[in-house]
Amino acid sequence: NAGVTQTPKFQVLKTGQSMTLQCAQDMNHEYMSWYRQDPGMGLRLIHYSVGAGITDQGEVPNGYNVSRSTTEDFPLRLLSAAPSQTSVYFCASSYTYHMTGDQPQHFGDGTRLSIL
Amino acid sequence: AQTVTQSQPEMSVQEAETVTLSCTYDTSESDYYLFWYKQPPSRQMILVIRQEAYKQQNATENRFSVNFQKAAKSFSLKISDSQLGDAAMYFCAYRGYTSGTYKYIFGTGTRLKVLA
Repeated sequence: NAGVTQTPKFQVLKTGQSMTLQCAQDMNHEYMSWYRQDPGMGLRLIHYSVGAGITDQGEVPNGYNVSRSTTEDFPLRLLSAAPSQTSVYFCASSYTYHMTGDQPQHFGDGTRLSIL
Repeated sequence: AQTVTQSQPEMSVQEAETVTLSCTYDTSESDYYLFWYKQPPSRQMILVIRQEAYKQQNATENRFSVNFQKAAKSFSLKISDSQLGDAAMYFCAYRGYTSGTYKYIFGTGTRLKVLA
């Protein structure tokens, strides 16, 4: 059981480049989300999805796109990388509230992204 | 909007002693969940303990326990018999359900140092 798998673990980009952070889970979780973690700011929600074909914005969505074509995968796309997007990115998944109310999120190991 | 506040950026504790990390939150919801996550230098997000708001009994997991004061909107984490492996960032998280979905909100974290 792999849990939540994020790739890559590290990435360096130049300003203006685009890239996709991959996230996959094998627990049949409906709920998936992306966070960014910056020093002194905790984890902030970028986008989330409650099932295949359904996505919504979180607290800091600008500059990022997501899609959810399958239950397992939830990629995060940076359209035109900016230095302000330098951060550690976490993907997380869980069952939805109505199935098992107290199930916590399972996190991937994170991606450290640097934009030069 | 819901908020989570961790007012202690950093705490220190002697090995084998007890330490309490503070967390307060603001919400108008009556049914929600609270979590403490540990993030060691490996960057993994590890669930420490969870609390359901409608349960008055404080959650306990081995050396970790919480003091949940619903009326005061306070959710502190007590670590007893502190060990060197407890050194990490600790995040308090709130999960509520609004507008047909639910979201997690994280505090800014408390860095715990354990002194030998």
